[in-house]
Amino acid sequence: AQSVAQPEDQVNVAEGNPLTVKCTYSVSGNPYLFWYVQYPNRGLQFLLKYITGDNLVKGSYGFEAEFNKSQTSFHLKKPSALVSDSALYFCAVRVGGYQKVTFGTGTKLQVIP
Amino acid sequence: GAVVSQHPSRVICKSGTSVKIECRSLDFQATTMFWYRQFPKQSLMLMATSNEGSKATYEQGVEKDKFLINHASLTLSTLTVTSAHPEDSSFYICSAYNEGPLVDEQFFGPGTRLTVL
Repeated sequence: AQSVAQPEDQVNVAEGNPLTVKCTYSVSGNPYLFWYVQYPNRGLQFLLKYITGDNLVKGSYGFEAEFNKSQTSFHLKKPSALVSDSALYFCAVRVGGYQKVTFGTGTKLQVIP
Repeated sequence: GAVVSQHPSRVICKSGTSVKIECRSLDFQATTMFWYRQFPKQSLMLMATSNEGSKATYEQGVEKDKFLINHASLTLSTLTVTSAHPEDSSFYICSAYNEGPLVDEQFFGPGTRLTVL
């Protein structure tokens, strides 16, 4: 079984400050980890993924995430938040060799001007 | 990146009618597509895995007779909500799996907002 936990329903951050959206996972096997962003009434937009290699992954719109195997975490980060980053963020996991993706419950990011 | 489309983007129907939602992979062939359902302010819940040329695999608790899935070609999967009721109102999102020697990724459609009156 595989699962993803996003412990924060909402994260508030001031514009220009660094942001972190937390994600931990549980899988049996090698994890493929993803972050997606969703704007109201829209589908999911891919931000970044970790498959293998460097633990620090850089993605779209200045976002990055660090894979930490010992802590089974894949937190999303950005050095300087923009108001336009306000959206719903989903962490997701699947096991290498399998297609089924499991999503976290989502974290609403609110960037305050 | 690869593009997945959904049609319609919004649909309003009367209770008891059936609604068909299409999911198309526009620039790649997808033997596997997925259908998700998302309630307001909640995560995506996988409903079923759609396999080209074979029966869909439904997740536990999803009524296969209510949510009919047809994956007739490598670029098209359809989800038909039969005898829709207000509790079926939701945001339905499909994804298509692009797998090959150099690619292993899932691409999401923009979603379909279903409202059943």
